[in-house]
Amino acid sequence: QLQVQESGPGLVKPSETLSLTCTVSGGSISGSSYYWGWVRQPPGKGLEWIGSIYYTGSTSYNPSLKSRVTISVDTSKNQFSLKLRSVTAADTAVYYCAPSSPAFDFWGQGTLVTVSS
Amino acid sequence: EIVLTQSPGTLSLSPGERATLSCRASQSVSSSYLAWYKQKPGQPPRLIIYGASSRATGIPDRFSGSGSGTDFTLTISRLEPEDSAVYYCQQYGYSPPYTFGQGTKLEIK
Repeated sequence: QLQVQESGPGLVKPSETLSLTCTVSGGSISGSSYYWGWVRQPPGKGLEWIGSIYYTGSTSYNPSLKSRVTISVDTSKNQFSLKLRSVTAADTAVYYCAPSSPAFDFWGQGTLVTVSS
Repeated sequence: EIVLTQSPGTLSLSPGERATLSCRASQSVSSSYLAWYKQKPGQPPRLIIYGASSRATGIPDRFSGSGSGTDFTLTISRLEPEDSAVYYCQQYGYSPPYTFGQGTKLEIK
């Protein structure tokens, strides 16, 4: 059964780059028809789609974040990653990775990233 | 960008009653690419409805989705205490961004 798990630093300083990795287990990133996405949720608030990637490397991003976001895939490690540059306190959130087909079929447990000095 | 507006913001009902949650889009949602998620505190969202009316795996038939175009509804019949959660709609049409509604909090009294 396919599962995903987020990992990365829980604390990032303002103006620095937030980097997270999502590890896929129970199946191959390149062996499925999923798009692999990132969604975030600020504490006590709603959900925001950040972007998605296909195993070929094709990406789509939320225009509101596009200038600061890069999503990449490493099929050899069965992982995909998120980089968000020039973070501020407004980027503090729980970050989820989730495969989509195209609805988000299931989600990782999420990882809280706090932006603070 | 398609804006999704959910109503009501909070719904308080008793076990056994029926809940009706609304999701209205600012423009037509392509091919009913509309999903509903349930999120309990401290947990990730869980997909319950996709394609506006198809139940996800393991979702009981008490949950049903309907609608098309700009107006969509999630109905939960025979409410149970474990249905207490925040419910989000999401559109995933042809063009990003794939937006979410602001959520409806369902309380079971």
